Amino acid sequence: NAGVTQTPKFQVLKTGQSMTLQCAQDMNHEYMSWYRQDPGMGLRLIHYSVGAGITDQGEVPNGYNVSRSTTEDFPLRLLSAAPSQTSVYFCASSYSPWTEQYFGPGTRLTVT
Amino acid sequence: DQQVKQNSPSLSVQEGRISILNCDYTNSMFDYFLWYKKYPAEGPTFLISISSIKDKNEDGRFTVFLNKSAKHLSLHIVPSQPGDSAVYFCAAQSVPDKLIFGTGTRLQVFP
Repeated sequence: NAGVTQTPKFQVLKTGQSMTLQCAQDMNHEYMSWYRQDPGMGLRLIHYSVGAGITDQGEVPNGYNVSRSTTEDFPLRLLSAAPSQTSVYFCASSYSPWTEQYFGPGTRLTVT
Repeated sequence: DQQVKQNSPSLSVQEGRISILNCDYTNSMFDYFLWYKKYPAEGPTFLISISSIKDKNEDGRFTVFLNKSAKHLSLHIVPSQPGDSAVYFCAAQSVPDKLIFGTGTRLQVFP
């Protein structure tokens, strides 16, 4: 099992550019989520999905878009990158919202 | 408003001694609590959890204590080892609502 994989590991964007952060899991987990980690802020939930075709907003959803067309994949789209989106992004998955989550290795994004 | 607080950003402990990491929460509806450990350049990994119906849960060197009246939980690591050096996040949820993470405590275990 590869677990939760994320690509790319690092990315630099210019303000206004768009991009997609990829996330995939091979554990057949229904629940997937995206977090961002900023210094002194802990992990904050951006978007989550309880199954294919179902997504919902988390604590900090503005500027991000998600879709869940398959159980395995949960991409995160930045529509128009801003310096405030400079962060480390983690994707996570679990069997359900109330079981422990498995995290990917993260994507470090810098927006200049 | 931070619902889950880890007031100590860092902690330094000698190898072999006890490490105590603390976490406070404000939402009395939280009924499930977890600790995650994070090494640099890696994602967080689940460490131990506790349900609000219990006040203690133990797994090897790791024990989590929950004091519901004080809205406080703590993670004890005994004995501490250099490999325990990492950032520790506590998290809480009101099942099946979303998980809320604290800001993390960086633990350094020195020889």
